[in-house]
Amino acid sequence: GIQVEQSPPDLILQEGANSTLRCNFSDSVNNLQWFHQNPWGQLINLFYIPSGTKQNGRLSATTVATERYSLLYISSSQTTDSGVYFCAVEVGGFKTIFGAGTRLFVKA
Amino acid sequence: DAGVTQSPTHLIKTRGQQVTLRCSPKSGHDTVSWYQQALGQGPQFIFQYYEEEERQRGNFPDRFSGHQFPNYSSELNVNALLLGDSALYLCASSLKAGTSRNEQFFGPGTRLTVL
Repeated sequence: GIQVEQSPPDLILQEGANSTLRCNFSDSVNNLQWFHQNPWGQLINLFYIPSGTKQNGRLSATTVATERYSLLYISSSQTTDSGVYFCAVEVGGFKTIFGAGTRLFVKA
Repeated sequence: DAGVTQSPTHLIKTRGQQVTLRCSPKSGHDTVSWYQQALGQGPQFIFQYYEEEERQRGNFPDRFSGHQFPNYSSELNVNALLLGDSALYLCASSLKAGTSRNEQFFGPGTRLTVL
């Protein structure tokens, strides 16, 4: 089956720093989403981005479907950005596969 | 606009028991998917329901079963609970599967502990 790999697995940033999270997938996908999971377990939608580039405030994402990767950019990080970031891809129209996540900690 | 809701929030069961978890989708959504998230891991797809039928299933045994009701709400049932079933169970809703915009929205989850 399809493999979804996220990097880095862990990331520690000083408040105000920028970062790039990467998601590689091994086969064609129907769509791709980025989520932020807060400490209480809630998955928060960041981007629905099967291809192209989108921006939302300090966050932006780019998916290059032909090269099977997606990038999530976080600029001017804040302590509230801490948590786990997941990439999830949909295959076959009905099944969604998550990566293992990137655990981000932003220090004040 | 009500988001995805799940009940109960927490649940403690013993090995061998059965459990039922419930999910109400976001208003306007007709497709429900269930996921299991073990501690420190990403969510694992269990199955998806659309038009009251299971459309796709992940790598989970038959002890995991589900149901979707005419109002699109859904239940996840797990029989003969094992210690390894302890996890956060997440429900996601979306518009009709296979459409050009199948963005999923997640509920807060049910944390199941099996003793």
